[in-house]
Amino acid sequence: IAGITQAPTSQILAAGRRMTLRCTQDMRHNAMYWYRQDLGLGLRLIHYSNTAGTTGKGEVPDGYSVSRANTDDFPLTLASAVPSQTSVYFCASRQGSNTEAFFGQGTRLTVV
Amino acid sequence: AQTVTQSQPEMSVQEAETVTLSCTYDTSENNYYLFWYKQPPSRQMILVIRQEAYKQQNATENRFSVNFQKAAKSFSLKISDSQLGDTAMYFCAFMKLPGQAGNMLTFGGGTRLMVKP
Repeated sequence: IAGITQAPTSQILAAGRRMTLRCTQDMRHNAMYWYRQDLGLGLRLIHYSNTAGTTGKGEVPDGYSVSRANTDDFPLTLASAVPSQTSVYFCASRQGSNTEAFFGQGTRLTVV
Repeated sequence: AQTVTQSQPEMSVQEAETVTLSCTYDTSENNYYLFWYKQPPSRQMILVIRQEAYKQQNATENRFSVNFQKAAKSFSLKISDSQLGDTAMYFCAFMKLPGQAGNMLTFGGGTRLMVKP
């Protein structure tokens, strides 16, 4: 089934640990995004990539890094997790000429 | 930068009744897109309706319709004949035209809607 897949679905992580959230899409979309969702704040953009090989910072990039080595994969890394990074993380993709974005099922991350 | 504001954190409606969710936004762009997304308890993000700013006609999708007031920068969602399955978090979102720099989705804070039997 074509779509966008995130892994893991949920994770409890000790503060200070490194963690990579995975995101893969098979729709050959050129643009990919990482958002975090927090109550009352909606979804806020962390990082984005308009095409393979390029990335950019969103609204809340501190503490996060991304890479886009190919079209399909867009991993998000927390180098040293802190409790304020407890959130639900969504990966999304979009073909640049279209307006509809497709979202993964989200990763619930708890940093303790 | 664009901002999107949803002033109603929570709302409730009786089944079969009509409810309106509010959204306002701020932008200096003249042409853009506005969206309403639904997020049920499953966490899935579902596109409900889309409005193109250069179209004066309000978008409709079955029981869902919008009231787009460009001058007032207002974009409300009306749900008619509410059903239990409409219970969800609803997000209003803004996007510049495809191809423009920085054309990613900007979301409001969300409105949690509960449909009561």
